[in-house]
Amino acid sequence: AAGVIQSPRHLIKEKRETATLKCYPIPRHDTVYWYQQGPGQDPQFLISFYEKMQSDKGSIPDRFSAQQFSDYHSELNMSSLELGDSALYFCASSPQGVGTSPADTQYFGPGTRLTVL
Amino acid sequence: GIQVEQSPPDLILQEGANSTLRCNFSDSVNNLQWFHQNPWGQLINLFYIPSGTKQNGRLSATTVATERYSLLYISSSQTTDSGVYFCAVHTNAGKSTFGDGTTLTVKP
Repeated sequence: AAGVIQSPRHLIKEKRETATLKCYPIPRHDTVYWYQQGPGQDPQFLISFYEKMQSDKGSIPDRFSAQQFSDYHSELNMSSLELGDSALYFCASSPQGVGTSPADTQYFGPGTRLTVL
Repeated sequence: GIQVEQSPPDLILQEGANSTLRCNFSDSVNNLQWFHQNPWGQLINLFYIPSGTKQNGRLSATTVATERYSLLYISSSQTTDSGVYFCAVHTNAGKSTFGDGTTLTVKP
């Protein structure tokens, strides 16, 4: 079965550079979530999109922005990178919209490991 | 926001032993998931369990929504079970809030 695809899997950047992470949800999933997991920490919710509109926002820095495109893939854009942005970035998708039942089960991608030097 | 607490934070087992991991949450939730994060960082969905009991092989989970807790049982543990186990709850907002995780080490 198709899973969530994230690219790139690994990314190394220097401070103050920009980075773009991509997420391709499972086919027919219309909701995408982004999470940041720092070393030794649990995943922290950043932002989510439903039907190409932002549906919820968590602890996402102002330096970051994201969007969901017409084909439902999503991109997380990160500017003025800082050392503390080094983390594993997960994308998850779910088959139905916010708060619907019995879905909103989130399927996670393999993550993008970002290292900022 | 909702608080999610997992216990114990660390657990060391001998291969073949059984264990119970607990997840307490502070408010009503729409959904609850258990994940296993393996040593390579991959998050593997174990159970979607907003209430009731489910079993999958050596793993089972029970959520008592009215009392705001969930339990993950691992029986006959194997070294490949090592990793971090996360409980994540979903509220009406649709996002997931993760607990701090339980780090399980299974020794041969």
